[in-house]
Amino acid sequence: DAEITQSPRHKITETGRQVTLACHQTWNHNNMFWYRQDLGHGLRLIHYSYGVQDTNKREVSDGYSVSRSNTEDLPLTLESAASSQTSVYFCASSDRETQYFGPGTRLLVL
Amino acid sequence: QKEVEQDPGPLSVPEGAIVSLNCTYSNSAFQYFMWYRQYSRKGPELLMYTYSSGNKEDGRFTAQVDKSSKYISLFIRDSQPSDSATYLCAMSGRAAGNKLTFGGGTRVLVKP
Repeated sequence: DAEITQSPRHKITETGRQVTLACHQTWNHNNMFWYRQDLGHGLRLIHYSYGVQDTNKREVSDGYSVSRSNTEDLPLTLESAASSQTSVYFCASSDRETQYFGPGTRLLVL
Repeated sequence: QKEVEQDPGPLSVPEGAIVSLNCTYSNSAFQYFMWYRQYSRKGPELLMYTYSSGNKEDGRFTAQVDKSSKYISLFIRDSQPSDSATYLCAMSGRAAGNKLTFGGGTRVLVKP
């Protein structure tokens, strides 16, 4: 069955370190997204991509970057982790009608 | 002010009751309206989506959209303990599979 996976599922890192969260989908969807989820804010979109070599920022994208070199993967990089980036991160991919979410990565920045 | 407002709850109901959830929004460009269910420590999963105004029914679930009032609702009939979860409304201006703006989520507890 097609699926979307994220790794690692849990990560503890220190302020200032670079961290990369992986996202892999096997649906061959062109659209992929990264959200963060925090209490009181729900899910907020960080970056999205509509295809290989296409990436787009949103308002909360400071300190994050993505690259899309193939259809299946959209890794999210925190260039220099900050305590404010402690959150649960969800990756999603979509066809025209439905976004399918991964299980999430819990990131703690100390 | 957030683009999409949703009461965080928790909303506690007895088993068999009707659960009523709603969201308000400010962006008139939203055309696609979704409801996602999220169990604890899991990713959200799509329950229903509606295009523009109107009602949509799927089993025990009914979604309503009133674009004139910028108000959407989800009703769950004959609620079960397995319906206990956080329910998130989401909206998009282009397509349900496009980038989404979410409400903060309402936590629902259905007590046996």
